[in-house]
Order: sequence, then structure tokens, then C-alpha cells
Amino acid sequence: DAKTTQPNSMESNEEEPVHLPCNHSTISGTDYIHWYRQLPSQGPEYVIHGLTSNVNNRMASLAIAEDRKSSTLILHRATLRDAAVYYCILRDLNYGGSQGNLIFGKGTKLSVKP
Amino acid sequence: NAGVTQTPKFQVLKTGQSMTLQCAQDMNHEYMSWYRQDPGMGLRLIHYSVGAGITDQGEVPNGYNVSRSTTEDFPLRLLSAAPSQTSVYFCASSRPPGTANTGELFFGEGSRLTVL
Repeated sequence: DAKTTQPNSMESNEEEPVHLPCNHSTISGTDYIHWYRQLPSQGPEYVIHGLTSNVNNRMASLAIAEDRKSSTLILHRATLRDAAVYYCILRDLNYGGSQGNLIFGKGTKLSVKP
Repeated sequence: NAGVTQTPKFQVLKTGQSMTLQCAQDMNHEYMSWYRQDPGMGLRLIHYSVGAGITDQGEVPNGYNVSRSTTEDFPLRLLSAAPSQTSVYFCASSRPPGTANTGELFFGEGSRLTVL
């Protein structure tokens, strides 16, 4: 299964943009790039996903490199509530039974300073 | 909207005891799964189901049983608890591929299990 590489931790100041990087050099043509986040003592929460084009939703933006070997999750204005572990995950379009072997690595722990 | 509901939220067991972690979803999702999360680690898939009556093993299935008699419920059974099963357990559900909003997993709040 294709894997992703993320920094272990990042810090940000409140109300500033945050760019969370993810490398996925072995991504296949049918892999979607998904981002989840996990707030303290909660289950993971879906943030955003994309295939080739940049994506925006109410929570964040996803910028995907042209060769798709890396992507960046962008939080436009970090708040204290955004402090969480962010997971970058590849999920096959045809994910079938095991839900595409959704593999959660250790993610990036984002700290937000007031 | 309830989403994915897990019970109990906390449980302490003695080695050798059995118990069932309950998971229910009200979104009519066909796909359901169980993950465990150990301290400082990501989530690992235990068992999953693609519909009522169908289950299969994930990455770490040993020591756990599942069944799926209805679309809504997907209980996880520990037959003889061991200290190595001390963990936080998450249940998740999703739509199958090819449907609207494909890809989004909905997770419960977790069940924290301690085995002494």
C-alpha cells in the first residue's frame, strides 16, 4: 500500500495560516488523498480529500502537486480548536472491502499558540 | 444526528474476562469497521464489514470477533481479554465506493479499554 510521510509536529500562532505538508511519492493513479484530524480524546474527523485538483471546503484547502507526489493541507486562519493530530492518508478509488486499507500513520501534531 | 455511537466509553477488565464493545450507526452506511489506537500511534484496522452478514479481518484481528446481523450494528467481542488489548477502540462507518461523498469515514468517540 502506498504510504505517506508527514512531519511529527508543527507549531502555529492563532489566526495565522498553517500549511501541513505530506509526501506520497508512491501514489498510484487511483489513490485519493484524504486528510483527517483527531482532536484530543475524540475519534478522527474527516477534513478534506482530493484526486488531482486543488479542493476547498469550509474547514480547509487541499493543494495537490502537479505530479501528485505531495500535497499540503492549508488551514487559512488557525484557531485554538484546530490543535489536533492531522493524518494524511491515501485511499484507493476502488477501495472495496477493507475500505482501501485506510492506513493511519502517526500524523502531524499541530500546536496552536494564542 | 447521532452518527456513530459507541458504548461503553470506558471499561476496565481483568485478564481472561470477556466483553462486547457496541457500535451503532444511523446513517444507513453499508461499510463498518473497528480500529484500535495505542498511545502515540495511528489507528490499526481490526475487523471490517461491507454489509449485513459479511465480515472480514483487518491488520490486527487476533483476540477479537465480530458479527454483522443488521446494517446498523457492528459489535466487537473480546473473548478472553489480555493486557495487550488495553487500547482505545474506534468504530467507523462509510458509504461504499461509487456513491456520493465517497471516501469519508465517520468515527465514533471511542471506547477506552483497560485490561489488568
